[in-house]
Amino acid sequence: EVQLVESGGRLVQPGGSLTISCAASGFIFSSYYMTWVRQVPGKGLEWVGRSANKVDNYITNYAASVRGRFTISRDASGNSLHLLMNSLKIEDTAVYYCVKENWYYYEDWGQGTQVTVSS
Amino acid sequence: QSVLTQPPSVSGAPGQRVTMSCTGSSPNIGASSDVHWYQQFPGKAPKLLIFRNINRPSGVPDRFSASKSGTSASLAITGLQAEDEADYYCQSYDNSLSASVFGGGTKLTVL
Repeated sequence: EVQLVESGGRLVQPGGSLTISCAASGFIFSSYYMTWVRQVPGKGLEWVGRSANKVDNYITNYAASVRGRFTISRDASGNSLHLLMNSLKIEDTAVYYCVKENWYYYEDWGQGTQVTVSS
Repeated sequence: QSVLTQPPSVSGAPGQRVTMSCTGSSPNIGASSDVHWYQQFPGKAPKLLIFRNINRPSGVPDRFSASKSGTSASLAITGLQAEDEADYYCQSYDNSLSASVFGGGTKLTVL
């Protein structure tokens, strides 16, 4: 059974940094693209970025709204996905979901972790 | 404003058939990018409902179906049930943005 468990979300001040993580199990982590999707409570879904699989050298891509501020990385030995968020803005406040991707669609989702950017 | 446009809400009575649309443009749905659909209940993570335009994952009832034509896609639910009340999102890939894009979501109300 695929399990994706996010952690690390908390309150952070504008301009601050935060790393959230996703512990993956139940599948061969290195074989799959992994994606972060966020959702402002009461609003729609927004693609944040993705990490390719091992065959594609774990190449990363980001949404324009976070490019240059967010970094996705993997801890392949530990089957973990991370999202380092720098220069956080109030508009980055959202629930962040870790998602297992399969050819551009999102097969499995974690339960999400809340990131709140506020002074 | 979302790249893919969905009606904010649709409604139907139990047993009825409802449809909801997802309208894109030439860089995404019109460029033959696949459309996928997700169902989300309040306070829960989204769940994959339809992938690659018309395919249902194992466990999704055949009351759910979808289609795609030109720059639009559509999700249909037949034999509407109270448990279908949820938010529904479409998703595709936009070649000009080089990014995955979502619709703004449609809230389904079962009357």
